[in-house]
Amino acid sequence: GAVVSQHPSRVICKSGTSVKIECRSLDFQATTMFWYRQFPKQSLMLMATSNEGSKATYEQGVEKDKFLINHASLTLSTLTVTSAHPEDSSFYICSARVNEDRAEQYFGPGTRLTVT
Amino acid sequence: GQNIDQPTEMTATEGAIVQINCTYQTSGFNGLFWYQQHAGEAPTFLSYNVLDGLEEKGRFSSFLSRSKGYSYLLLKELQMKDSASYLCAVRATDSWGKFQFGAGTQVVVTP
Repeated sequence: GAVVSQHPSRVICKSGTSVKIECRSLDFQATTMFWYRQFPKQSLMLMATSNEGSKATYEQGVEKDKFLINHASLTLSTLTVTSAHPEDSSFYICSARVNEDRAEQYFGPGTRLTVT
Repeated sequence: GQNIDQPTEMTATEGAIVQINCTYQTSGFNGLFWYQQHAGEAPTFLSYNVLDGLEEKGRFSSFLSRSKGYSYLLLKELQMKDSASYLCAVRATDSWGKFQFGAGTQVVVTP
């Protein structure tokens, strides 16, 4: 149980284009999902908290107009990187909590974004 | 502010024991988690401590002292597949249960 998927696993795009990453909870409903970014040899940095049916909460320093998050259903959250630049190249990982009683987060397999 | 410290790298031989320490200074505390992450993959959940003491799960054990802001992950009977990065994460007291991650400790297991 508690499986989280991400799509795509890898994407290469040109500078200036937008990329959408999907995060799905496959066998549970997730009212809260989290989006992280990880640069090589660094830890996970929380970008935003995604709540079903409401606006995402962004961490300090993360541009909400650049990283659009939509949590349209209890099993799907999407992250759209708009007008991508090479410095946005990173490993993007989502996670979800199973329910309010379970504290641990389960992570998706990640999406490797390369902007050329 | 929040500060989570763990060693950058540790090396140990197959069959040995390794202890990864994590110290934290956070404005709120609602549990400490350990995750394992292989290169290019997502983290996988290993253990969770919210009360002081030792939690044992097979070859992995985790300890917490809230008064000292200290935790450790103990890996016993090391196997080559245990070579990975081990991430310490503190859960905040906000309603969403956000995590703050340490930089990770790269464990290298040698034959």
